[in-house]
Amino acid sequence: NAGVMQNPRHLVRRRGQEARLRCSPMKGHSHVYWYRQLPEEGLKFMVYLQKENIIDESGMPKERFSAEFPKEGPSILRIQQVVRGDSAAYFCASSAETGTLNEQFFGPGTRLTVL
Amino acid sequence: AQKVTQAQTEISVVEKEDVTLDCVYETRDTTYYLFWYKQPPSGELVFLIRRNSFDEQNEISGRYSWNFQKSTSSFNFTITASQVVDSAVYFCALTWEYGNKLVFGAGTILRVKS
Repeated sequence: NAGVMQNPRHLVRRRGQEARLRCSPMKGHSHVYWYRQLPEEGLKFMVYLQKENIIDESGMPKERFSAEFPKEGPSILRIQQVVRGDSAAYFCASSAETGTLNEQFFGPGTRLTVL
Repeated sequence: AQKVTQAQTEISVVEKEDVTLDCVYETRDTTYYLFWYKQPPSGELVFLIRRNSFDEQNEISGRYSWNFQKSTSSFNFTITASQVVDSAVYFCALTWEYGNKLVFGAGTILRVKS
């Protein structure tokens, strides 16, 4: 039973380019969460999605960032016109349920470097 | 507000010493869950333990033990006879009954020297 998969593991972009980070949840999981870990900091929640729906995006920056979780395929975190401050590790987690049964399993992360 | 505080930014110990990592949390909810994760130098997050607010029994797993005290809103983590492989960043995290996110502390860097 494969765990949460993220790709790419490392991504380098120049300022102004777009970054696309992919997350495939564990089999049977329909809830996906994205977290960002800035250098020397803890993880901060960004967005929570269920299939085709954004449930909570309270942690997403207002501009340039978007997320989706289509009916088919992985969840995508998209960062447009990247800036150096976007350099961070981005972790995806998935769960089978939410609320009381919310046990989130984390992927290995994508490390984004903006030159 | 939901909040997790890990006041120790960095701890250095010598191998075989015992070490305790502190975690203090804040929440309005009566049902909540506390977690510890380990992040080794390779960067992935390794799940260590999950505890719900109704279970205050301390837990031991090998060299690891956890002390959950609701009276002081603390969920401390002790490593007995530390080893170099324990060197990592350790995160404490919180979620609540109908929560849909984990709130993480800032993490504690543990350095175990041989």
